[in-house]
Amino acid sequence: KNQVEQSPQSLIILEGKNCTLQCNYTVSPFSNLRWYKQDTGRGPVSLTIMTFSENTKSNGRYTATLDADTKQSSLHITASQLSDSASYICVVSLEGITGGGNKLTFGTGTQLKVEL
Amino acid sequence: NAGVTQTPKFRVLKTGQSMTLLCAQDMNHEYMYWYRQDPGMGLRLIHYSVGEGTTAKGEVPDGYNVSRLKKQNFLLGLESAAPSQTSVYFCASRRGQGLYEQYFGPGTRLTVT
Repeated sequence: KNQVEQSPQSLIILEGKNCTLQCNYTVSPFSNLRWYKQDTGRGPVSLTIMTFSENTKSNGRYTATLDADTKQSSLHITASQLSDSASYICVVSLEGITGGGNKLTFGTGTQLKVEL
Repeated sequence: NAGVTQTPKFRVLKTGQSMTLLCAQDMNHEYMYWYRQDPGMGLRLIHYSVGEGTTAKGEVPDGYNVSRLKKQNFLLGLESAAPSQTSVYFCASRRGQGLYEQYFGPGTRLTVT
């Protein structure tokens, strides 16, 4: 069973609107949590990387938050653009954790479509 | 600076055929990875390498072999392709463990009939 669950599975919003994507994980403890953007037919591209002690990390219009107590992370997209249409993937890293090896656990992603 | 490149971009194989996927990176990264991505599932690690001449099994290694003879190249081999290996394969590289970014290639779409 995947230990990283994302919601919603898909989302359609109008250009210019904001949206928030959710990531719930059961992996604990963990080293860091990442958000990736994957355009259709392309490889994932890193948006943010947060350690377990960080609460928020921004990258332009993308802001990720992390609540280690509730094991939740979110990715907030401000003033969406057509180019934001993509899959957004949450990833939890166990690297450095005893027995974690080189393991990154990937969520299945939220498919976002931004329309005019 | 091309980043991570993958060859080929598309391939169709018949069951039982063999092939090799090539990944190359020009960032002098130590770590390289092969993943597969299937509908409704997160990326899954097949094999990885923490340096030239080293390889290790990931989450789903069965049916695949890898080699890292040169630091910049990571090869993924399918000795006898099966329909279950129909997938999109991504190579990735990074400088090291921890907070280093992982850079992905554009992917190879493989269909096994």
